[in-house]
Amino acid sequence: QKEVEQNSGPLSVPEGAIASLNCTYSDRGSQSFFWYRQYSGKSPELIMSIYSNGDKEDGRFTAQLNKASQYVSLLIRDSQPSDSATYLCAVNTKAAGNKLTFGGGTRVLVKP
Amino acid sequence: DVKVTQSSRYLVKRTGEKVFLECVQDMDHENMFWYRQDPGLGLRLIYFSYDVKMKEKGDIPEGYSVSREKKERFSLILESASTNQTSMYLCASGGGAQETQYFGPGTRLLVL
Repeated sequence: QKEVEQNSGPLSVPEGAIASLNCTYSDRGSQSFFWYRQYSGKSPELIMSIYSNGDKEDGRFTAQLNKASQYVSLLIRDSQPSDSATYLCAVNTKAAGNKLTFGGGTRVLVKP
Repeated sequence: DVKVTQSSRYLVKRTGEKVFLECVQDMDHENMFWYRQDPGLGLRLIYFSYDVKMKEKGDIPEGYSVSREKKERFSLILESASTNQTSMYLCASGGGAQETQYFGPGTRLLVL
């Protein structure tokens, strides 16, 4: 079992709809959770971080963390074609020290 | 704003050449990382450094070495480039209580 798992997609979403991305992780000691957006040919860009159970909202993005169920999700409201990208989930565990463990990424396609 | 810069966006080298990739960050972060990213394989950690002159192997260190003589600068060295080292190389800088990582723009290396 991979340490951080994401559905590779593509997740096809109509413009204006909500895109829902999920990420599960295996280490119960995980403490910090991050979502990165990566456009084709570009480097990952941090869009959200979450550390406590519950929801965290930033503009059209909402991150949701459920440590008991070991998943973190990202919602993109009012999806735009510019949201078409690969979204990487990353997790930091105390055991890993300074390192992040990345999921394989979910490719999102927003269709006009 | 965090800024992580990499010395080259694109690089073409011949097999057997020594290759230097340099990364500079301006956030006074303790931690710096080198990853490579290949289609279908995701982000893989090559080396990281948690302090000046300190380094630790990541998941795929073979064929690579690193140098960190100053806190803001972390170099990746390919001692003798091979075609299987053709890849996108990403540097990241990390810090803070939650170990947030920020990526540079990446270097796309082609070894012929």
